[in-house]
Amino acid sequence: GAGVSQTPSNKVTEKGKYVELRCDPISGHTALYWYRQSLGQGPEFLIYFQGTGAADDSGLPNDRFFAVRPEGSVSTLKIQRTERGDSAVYLCASSLTFSGGPGELFFGEGSRLTVL
Amino acid sequence: AQSVTQLDSQVPVFEEAPVELRCNYSSSVSVYLFWYVQYPNQGLQLLLKYLSGSTLVKSINGFEAEFNKSQTSFHLRKPSVHISDTAEYFCAVSGVGGGAQKLVFGQGTRLTINP
Repeated sequence: GAGVSQTPSNKVTEKGKYVELRCDPISGHTALYWYRQSLGQGPEFLIYFQGTGAADDSGLPNDRFFAVRPEGSVSTLKIQRTERGDSAVYLCASSLTFSGGPGELFFGEGSRLTVL
Repeated sequence: AQSVTQLDSQVPVFEEAPVELRCNYSSSVSVYLFWYVQYPNQGLQLLLKYLSGSTLVKSINGFEAEFNKSQTSFHLRKPSVHISDTAEYFCAVSGVGGGAQKLVFGQGTRLTINP
């Protein structure tokens, strides 16, 4: 498809389990972002990749959260020892990079994570 | 650091009526400003943005927003809404410079259009 693809669309897990969420960005987009959206809130920044490297990971809440983008395309968000408070919709976005400011972000439909 | 306040969580209006969705921001540096829209069962998509230049920016579907630096606002307006404008609208800000890629979003305003 032409858009940002996220899998799974829904994930239910038990407290303490490990979870991986995958993002397939738009082909050719060098920048990739992860956001988290809790119920009734706006998206909250987690991490931003430029190519393979994490250019800004200041939004990751703690060391249970980790993200990779080994080949500069697909990215995986990894959550260890999940907690009930991790329940949210995890959004991925990608963009081209411009020198004049942030490019338009193209968002996927999100992965809804529920931790029981 | 930046922050965004969307003053209304829900705005109901009648079809063909005008609408204003309010957004105020806080930042210690110059900013870029955005409105994103999320239609039902779809991902967020960019509606319009202010990066520099003219403070009045417009979208292709009739929305406009004006950057007001003195009031730290970026309110979204449309003179006549349609049923198809029903969606959730998010205002976002990022700081000019090294943190420009990190968008900070408001809590969203749900716009409901009644026939």
